[in-house]
Amino acid sequence: KQEVTQIPAALSVPEGENLVLNCSFTDSAIYNLQWFRQDPGKGLTSLLLIQSSQREQTSGRLNASLDKSSGRSTLYIAASQPGDSATYLCAVRPDNQGGKLIFGQGTELSVKP
Amino acid sequence: GAGVSQSPSNKVTEKGKDVELRCDPISGHTALYWYRQSLGQGLEFLIYFQGNSAPDKSGLPSDRFSAERTGGSVSTLTIQRTQQEDSAVYLCASSLTAGHIQPQHFGDGTRLSIL
Repeated sequence: KQEVTQIPAALSVPEGENLVLNCSFTDSAIYNLQWFRQDPGKGLTSLLLIQSSQREQTSGRLNASLDKSSGRSTLYIAASQPGDSATYLCAVRPDNQGGKLIFGQGTELSVKP
Repeated sequence: GAGVSQSPSNKVTEKGKDVELRCDPISGHTALYWYRQSLGQGLEFLIYFQGNSAPDKSGLPSDRFSAERTGGSVSTLTIQRTQQEDSAVYLCASSLTAGHIQPQHFGDGTRLSIL
């Protein structure tokens, strides 16, 4: 059974720091991995999607990497800003299980001015 | 452009009542997904639709839960005889197709509270 774990559960940093969020998964048979952001009381905003054949994706100050064989992904946020404060979720899409995503529990990020 | 729209945004009801939650996907998206987010369980998959058919209902927690999609667009999730453990945020997502290169786009959810 696929399990997704995110470490740390919560993180507080001063503005301007570069930071890394971690995601691990137990079964490497995945199609892709997606990183989301969730603001309080809101739905999920898709940040980056990495296909299983890819190693990384970049969007602005965000860079996500994927090491499928070791079951790990990282989300790197450069020059953090208070507006980056949110919960970050990673989700994997398993092979041959239709369209479902399996989510980690999230990392709650607080960036202090 | 319009994103995924869910209604109502909040619903409070008494235990034992039936509730209907609505999801309007992004126009042109053929795949639609329902998830549930609760404090203890995190985000869990419930069901997904490709067009009007539901190839995967494996996440529905009991036979009190059902969902349908008509016209390849709007979907309704129905919970019969609600229980307190049904309290959660119900999130809907859509994607252009069910293909694995397509990201899922989420609505803001319906917050369901069972008294």
